[in-house]
Amino acid sequence: NAGVTQTPKFRILKIGQSMTLQCAQDMNHNYMYWYRQDPGMGLKLIYYSVGAGITDKGEVPNGYNVSRSTTEDFPLRLELAAPSQTSVYFCASRFRANTGELFFGEGSRLTVL
Amino acid sequence: KNQVEQSPQSLIILEGKNCTLQCNYTVSPFSNLRWYKQDTGRGPVSLTIMTFSENTKSNGRYTATLDADTKQSSLHITASQLSDSASYICVVTVMTTDSWGKLQFGAGTQVVVTP
Repeated sequence: NAGVTQTPKFRILKIGQSMTLQCAQDMNHNYMYWYRQDPGMGLKLIYYSVGAGITDKGEVPNGYNVSRSTTEDFPLRLELAAPSQTSVYFCASRFRANTGELFFGEGSRLTVL
Repeated sequence: KNQVEQSPQSLIILEGKNCTLQCNYTVSPFSNLRWYKQDTGRGPVSLTIMTFSENTKSNGRYTATLDADTKQSSLHITASQLSDSASYICVVTVMTTDSWGKLQFGAGTQVVVTP
């Protein structure tokens, strides 16, 4: 059972570069999320999606973009990387909105130098 | 402002001992509260879910409690094992009108179990 798969696990970017973090889930979940986790802080929501073709901003969307063309895939795009985007990024999905358990990927550690 | 505060920030316990982690929240309206365990370098995994009407729920050696009146939850770990070394995150769901269920995350408690 794959669950939620994120790639890459690690990446180093130079300031101003762009990249896409990939996320795929095989559980047929409608709800998908991108979070960032900084040391000593709770997870912060970047973007979320309630189904294919529907996305919306979370708490910290600046500098990021997403798309959801299929139920399975929810890539996160970083444009013009900045040092403030150095973080660990988690993709998650769930079946039900209010009570559903979040299933997380393994995380992608991004460093911007 | 909806907030979730966890304490302590970190703790070290001897293998075989018990410990209790705290979570206080100001989230309203409340839908439910989950405790997640996050091993180093991994994504969080759900341990328990507590809804408004539930006071206690167990999952093996993990027991969660909820006092919805005082907006407090605790996670008790019994007879700790080395594999319990992890960060434990309290996550509260806010009931939203669009029903997608906004989540508020605590910063986590880092537990280290030593032999």
